[in-house]
Amino acid sequence: QKEVEQDPGPLSVPEGAIVSLNCTYSNSAFQYFMWYRQYSRKGPELLMYTYSSGNKEDGRFTAQVDKSSKYISLFIRDSQPSDSATYLCALRASGGFKTIFGAGTRLFVKA
Amino acid sequence: GAVVSQHPSWVICKSGTSVKIECRSLDFQATTMFWYRQFPKQSLMLMATSNEGSKATYEQGVEKDKFLINHASLTLSTLTVTSAHPEDSSFYICSAGDQSTDTQYFGPGTRLTVL
Repeated sequence: QKEVEQDPGPLSVPEGAIVSLNCTYSNSAFQYFMWYRQYSRKGPELLMYTYSSGNKEDGRFTAQVDKSSKYISLFIRDSQPSDSATYLCALRASGGFKTIFGAGTRLFVKA
Repeated sequence: GAVVSQHPSWVICKSGTSVKIECRSLDFQATTMFWYRQFPKQSLMLMATSNEGSKATYEQGVEKDKFLINHASLTLSTLTVTSAHPEDSSFYICSAGDQSTDTQYFGPGTRLTVL
């Protein structure tokens, strides 16, 4: 069993749709939860960072963490064509920066 | 926000040669940096943890003699791919942890093509 499971997609949605991206994990030692956006041939860009169960909102993005279910989500409201990218969930335990990534979900937002 | 740079951004080399990639944290000091490799349409795979002033820690299956890591200062880590072969062609990304913000920042990546 992989430490982090993420559906690679691709996921195609019309402009303006609400997008839901998800990851599950198996190791309860993970305490920090991140979502990165990566455009083709670029480095990952940090979108959201949280360390507690619940929701965290930043503009059109909402990160949700459920530690009891070991399930994390990223919601994108009013999706735009510029949101088309690969979204990677990332997790790390406390006491260091070693980070494990999900497979990444390729998102296409059609105009 | 904090910035991590990589140099070069793209390199082409002949099989059998060595290639050095630099990773710098531009506005913070990083005692720990990380090197990842990413093949097309795949996720980032951690190769090694670079520790300032000490030996790097390699992930299982990564050849330490092939991928030499040096972290000589708090702002610079280098990855040298020795005796490169076509199968080493990949996108190499570094990251650095900023302890003041408890955040990891990624470099823009280096695309290596071995002919």
